[in-house]
Amino acid sequence: GAVVSQHPSWVICKSGTSVKIECRSLDFQATTMFWYRQFPKQSLMLMATSNEGSKATYEQGVEKDKFLINHASLTLSTLTVTSAHPEDSSFYICSASNRGNTEAFFGQGTRLTVV
Amino acid sequence: KQEVTQIPAALSVPEGENLVLNCSFTDSAIYNLQWFRQDPGKGLTSLLLIQSSQREQTSGRLNASLDKSSGRSTLYIAASQPGDSATYLCAGPSGGYNKLIFGAGTRLAVHP
Repeated sequence: GAVVSQHPSWVICKSGTSVKIECRSLDFQATTMFWYRQFPKQSLMLMATSNEGSKATYEQGVEKDKFLINHASLTLSTLTVTSAHPEDSSFYICSASNRGNTEAFFGQGTRLTVV
Repeated sequence: KQEVTQIPAALSVPEGENLVLNCSFTDSAIYNLQWFRQDPGKGLTSLLLIQSSQREQTSGRLNASLDKSSGRSTLYIAASQPGDSATYLCAGPSGGYNKLIFGAGTRLAVHP
């Protein structure tokens, strides 16, 4: 299967700071990337859909000004958690796909801890 | 809007048992359904992808079936091993290409 790389794999930051997470498709062009969040002992919840060259579409209840998504190229999408607070501590994971593919490929995930 | 439900929520079995994990979905107009494995604190490992034109897929001791008419998928694990202990997630697309909605998962513990 295709390879999606997510970086960093874990990060600890202070409350009030911003954190950027990168999601890269290494061997294919990803026209669409998705961002999910997983709280402990819960399942993955879709946060937003990121389409290359256009604004992201956010799911209901997800603050677009807090979770900034940029998909400036066909191989890279970034999620920036702005003014992070302890309640933003979670596991964030991305997936990528292209128009010709009926399977989404997932990154390794990023564990964010806000202290 | 797609909703995905998994039962049971948790399962603890002795090694060697054959297992059935269930997944149901509300939107039968899906083009595929995926099963994933997640180990504690880790990312997702894709196990099986069933296209809507298929009724089942097999990989080693794993077999997944898909019945669109009834809105159900089943993951069958043969001869379970302690290394199979993990959370198993099923996911179906909703309103967009590869936009997946996940079930809550089945936490499996296989003890020696």
